[in-house]
Amino acid sequence: DGGITQSPKYLFRKEGQNVTLSCEQNLNHDAMYWYRQDPGQGLRLIYYSQIVNDFQKGDIAEGYSVSREKKESFPLTVTSAQKNPTAFYLCASSRDGQETQYFGPGTRLLVL
Amino acid sequence: SQQGEEDPQALSIQEGENATMNCSYKTSINNLQWYRQNSGRGLVHLILIRSNEREKHSGRLRVTLDTSKKSSSLLITASRAADTASYFCATLWNNDMRFGAGTRLTVKP
Repeated sequence: DGGITQSPKYLFRKEGQNVTLSCEQNLNHDAMYWYRQDPGQGLRLIYYSQIVNDFQKGDIAEGYSVSREKKESFPLTVTSAQKNPTAFYLCASSRDGQETQYFGPGTRLLVL
Repeated sequence: SQQGEEDPQALSIQEGENATMNCSYKTSINNLQWYRQNSGRGLVHLILIRSNEREKHSGRLRVTLDTSKKSSSLLITASRAADTASYFCATLWNNDMRFGAGTRLTVKP
């Protein structure tokens, strides 16, 4: 099956802890994205990557970090500097950044 | 920041009726896309309309684009209970995609 996967489905973070959300795609897409969605809201861009070993900050990058060492993988780390991390996190990919984005099922992050 | 603004924020209709959702935006676009999101799930792409197109159809979906008014509409005909979801418009300009806050559609059986 071709697609984009995210894990885990639910993630719990303790105060002061860094946590990493996984995003993998086997669509051979160059571009990958991370979005944050708060209840009843649209999507806000955290980070995006157009190509391996390169990534750019989105609108709300503070308190987050990413890496793009492989074309298939774009993990997102929520650091302790992110004071309000509770949200639904969506990863997406697209062929070249100009067309349709394909979304993963999302990870819901909760703070203990 | 969000670019598109959907209207209405929420829409409730009976099964079999048509549903119309509108999207307004502020800047230039390469294309405009509509996505659907079921509760607690990822977004699913529905349809893409390019800036030089005025209307597009896909099954029960009809999308229009008026670049002079910077607006788009999504029409779902003969709605079904399974169409209940949130619908988002997204505008793309030079690799920058922006999503609106969405319209929550409820189709009552």
